[in-house]
Amino acid sequence: DTGVSQNPRHKITKRGQNVTFRCDPISEHNRLYWYRQTLGQGPEFLTYFQNEAQLEKSRLLSDRFSAERPKGSFSTLEIQRTEQGDSAMYLCASSLGGADNSPLHFGNGTRLTVT
Amino acid sequence: ILNVEQSPQSLHVQEGDSTNFTCSFPSSNFYALHWYRWETAKSPEALFVMTLNGDEKKKGRISATLNTKEGYSYLYIKGSQPEDSATYLCAFKRGSYIPTFGRGTSLIVHP
Repeated sequence: DTGVSQNPRHKITKRGQNVTFRCDPISEHNRLYWYRQTLGQGPEFLTYFQNEAQLEKSRLLSDRFSAERPKGSFSTLEIQRTEQGDSAMYLCASSLGGADNSPLHFGNGTRLTVT
Repeated sequence: ILNVEQSPQSLHVQEGDSTNFTCSFPSSNFYALHWYRWETAKSPEALFVMTLNGDEKKKGRISATLNTKEGYSYLYIKGSQPEDSATYLCAFKRGSYIPTFGRGTSLIVHP
């Protein structure tokens, strides 16, 4: 168990650029979640996958946000045409699906700064 | 959107003090309540997953209780130590839906 891995740890980009973040979950976990956290707030849910199926995406913040998990293993979160308001910590977590009382295991997050 | 409230927002205590904070959540269709500890520069770490009304869980000096009928959970830390300084998050789960987080309680333990 190597834990949940997120890359990059930090990303600084100019407004209008596209960015992509990667998350590698714990290998036997079939559920993968993306959250966003801004200063003074708790993690805000964005989307989640069970295996390769994206089961909830209505909470993605706008159509500039998209996520994929093509083979049910790693996932990517893309933000197109970034805005300064997108600056936040983006957290990925995984859990064992089917065991609904299983906790989330988080990565260290990707901190995005849009200038 | 579910409303999960945590209080207080922040707390400063002296080493050795015992402390507690609250997580409030909707009392209907309860499924699970999670507690996490989030230390600076680290990832959030699960402390407890609680599923039954009246549950009490303990891990070292930290314990938690759950009241699903009235919609609250308490987290207690006995004899706080500086290494307990962190943000403590609770997350409420309804059915098989996604865990919804509160804003957290930021605890600072002064030596």
